[in-house]
Amino acid sequence: EAQVTQNPRYLITVTGKKLTVTCSQNMNHEYMSWYRQDPGLGLRQIYYSMNVEVTDKGDVPEGYKVSRKEKRNFPLILESPSPNQTSLYFCASSLYNTDTQYFGPGTRLTVL
Amino acid sequence: QQQVKQSPQSLIVQKGGIPIINCAYENTAFDYFPWYQQFPGKGPALLIAIRPDVSEKKEGRFTISFNKSAKQFSLHIMDSQPGDSATYFCAASLTGFQKLVFGTGTRLLVSP
Repeated sequence: EAQVTQNPRYLITVTGKKLTVTCSQNMNHEYMSWYRQDPGLGLRQIYYSMNVEVTDKGDVPEGYKVSRKEKRNFPLILESPSPNQTSLYFCASSLYNTDTQYFGPGTRLTVL
Repeated sequence: QQQVKQSPQSLIVQKGGIPIINCAYENTAFDYFPWYQQFPGKGPALLIAIRPDVSEKKEGRFTISFNKSAKQFSLHIMDSQPGDSATYFCAASLTGFQKLVFGTGTRLLVSP
């Protein structure tokens, strides 16, 4: 089944404790992206990747890191999480940047 | 110039009604306008999309109307059903641009 998977689905952590949210797609898509969703703000892009080893900042990259060492994986790293990073995070992939984006199920992160 | 403004924030209609969600954009170079539907606990999924060479696109009960001169586009849901209750996001992009810009979302409730 074609899909985007994210892990974990729920995470509660404390300020400053490094964490990684994994994202994997099995559709051989070139383009992958991370978004955060906050009430009243919609979906805002954090980082995107056009292909392996090619990443760039989206609208809200501060406090986040990404890497794209393999085509299928695009982990999101929070090196020192803060409470303002409490949010619902989505990974998405598409064949190319303006094609249909397929979203993962989301990761709800709470930073205490 | 990269913003997409979406209204209303929330909408309640009775079953069989025709909810209309509106979006406005500023960047006249945008050439791809998708709508995404999100159910609670799920990631957004593409519902319907339009390019500016047509003024209307219909897929089943969902119709996009596009007004290039006014820089506006809207989603109409004909004969709405309780199962259409979801959050709807409009978005915009342009070929070669590396990201999709989302509106802030509209929470639709269709009452039985």
